[in-house]
Amino acid sequence: QVQLQESGPGLVKPSETLSLTCTVSGGSINNNYWSWMRQPPGRGLEWIGYIYPSGSTFYNVSLKSRVTISVDTAKSQFSLKLNYVTAADTAVYFCARGGGSYYPNDFWGQGTLVTVSS
Amino acid sequence: DIQMDQSPSTLSASVGDRVTITCRASQRISDWLAWYQQKPGKAPKLLIQKASRLESGVPSRFSGSGSGTDFTLTISSLQPEDAATYYCQQYNAYFTFGQGTKLEIK
Repeated sequence: QVQLQESGPGLVKPSETLSLTCTVSGGSINNNYWSWMRQPPGRGLEWIGYIYPSGSTFYNVSLKSRVTISVDTAKSQFSLKLNYVTAADTAVYFCARGGGSYYPNDFWGQGTLVTVSS
Repeated sequence: DIQMDQSPSTLSASVGDRVTITCRASQRISDWLAWYQQKPGKAPKLLIQKASRLESGVPSRFSGSGSGTDFTLTISSLQPEDAATYYCQQYNAYFTFGQGTKLEIK
């Protein structure tokens, strides 16, 4: 059973960079796409982007200028960086397996709340 | 970008009722559509992929249909544990989620 766990700071100051890591266990990080989504409090889900272990990345156009997703296959981890955050970036951030044109998100992390505040 | 229009936004029904949620894509997506169930404080759970393919372990009262631009999620006989928010997701071109449908039990 694939398991994912998000980790990173729960509080980030405005204009700084949000950094999260997702650790994958119970399965190989290779040969799969890996995604980041977020959900502002009381609102719906928003796709941020996904990565294939070869390094190919795909981002939501609305966030593309601020987002970087990377992967470390040796550590079975993939990461999210979101620059120049504002209060509007306050959300629960989820990592999940899936991406590309054929693979929805079948395994999810529990999510981690990141608050942007000074 | 492909937009997903999900309706209704809220739904109240009784145990045993048949419930239908719809999702419309702004352009044709073949059958690259998934449905998720999310309970408060939890991650979404994949129920259906490829419009109608039920995930292992999901009760058979859940079903999905549609192709092209119009899709439905049906719960044939509503149970108390089905109270949740449901989302559609297209994965034909990147990902887009519908706005969600909050299902309440009367």
